[in-house]
Amino acid sequence: GAGVSQSPSNKVTEKGKDVELRCDPISGHTALYWYRQSLGQGLEFLIYFQGNSAPDKSGLPSDRFSAERTGGSVSTLTIQRTQQEDSAVYLCASSLRPPTDEETQYFGPGTRLLVL
Amino acid sequence: QKEVEQDPGPLSVPEGAIVSLNCTYSNSAFQYFMWYRQYSRKGPELLMYTYSSGNKEDGRFTAQVDKSSKYISLFIRDSQPSDSATYLCAMKPSWGKLQFGAGTQVVVTP
Repeated sequence: GAGVSQSPSNKVTEKGKDVELRCDPISGHTALYWYRQSLGQGLEFLIYFQGNSAPDKSGLPSDRFSAERTGGSVSTLTIQRTQQEDSAVYLCASSLRPPTDEETQYFGPGTRLLVL
Repeated sequence: QKEVEQDPGPLSVPEGAIVSLNCTYSNSAFQYFMWYRQYSRKGPELLMYTYSSGNKEDGRFTAQVDKSSKYISLFIRDSQPSDSATYLCAMKPSWGKLQFGAGTQVVVTP
């Protein structure tokens, strides 16, 4: 079946502009995660959605970052007033279960964001 | 200090050699240990999944967990150029978010 998809694949923007990144999780997956991957760094957790529960926003680096998940499916990560340090690969992952013992996350290909 | 430490490499080996990767961690609550493989310009994909201590083997891949030393390893036997990728370790407690290492870039030369 279809995996996790993300769009756009690449995004180049100017400093100060807003950007929206989209994630389509695997159908039926209740959990959705956003991560940021910078060069030479591991995956940095940003935000987590589980069903209809309030999202875990503990990883968002500043109030310029926000995300929503509509209808328990598609998610959008928005970065306002982008800065050069926001340049990174933004990865989305989904899983069938909450983060319990046997959870397996499936990742999309990522969106490569470059802020000039 | 990061909860999960992983040498970023790059690690270059000739085809057919054994690739040895490892991570150390500080959180004794971690119970589940994973290795992800990430090809260039792709998302990570789960390679191995191990619970608690011990070994797990899957084809050419062997994962080891030593909880007493807070140390995990991944071995790739008979390495192939197609194994060239970044390998990320990840771990989590029974309930909680995955913590990832920085990833080790592996290059297998023909």
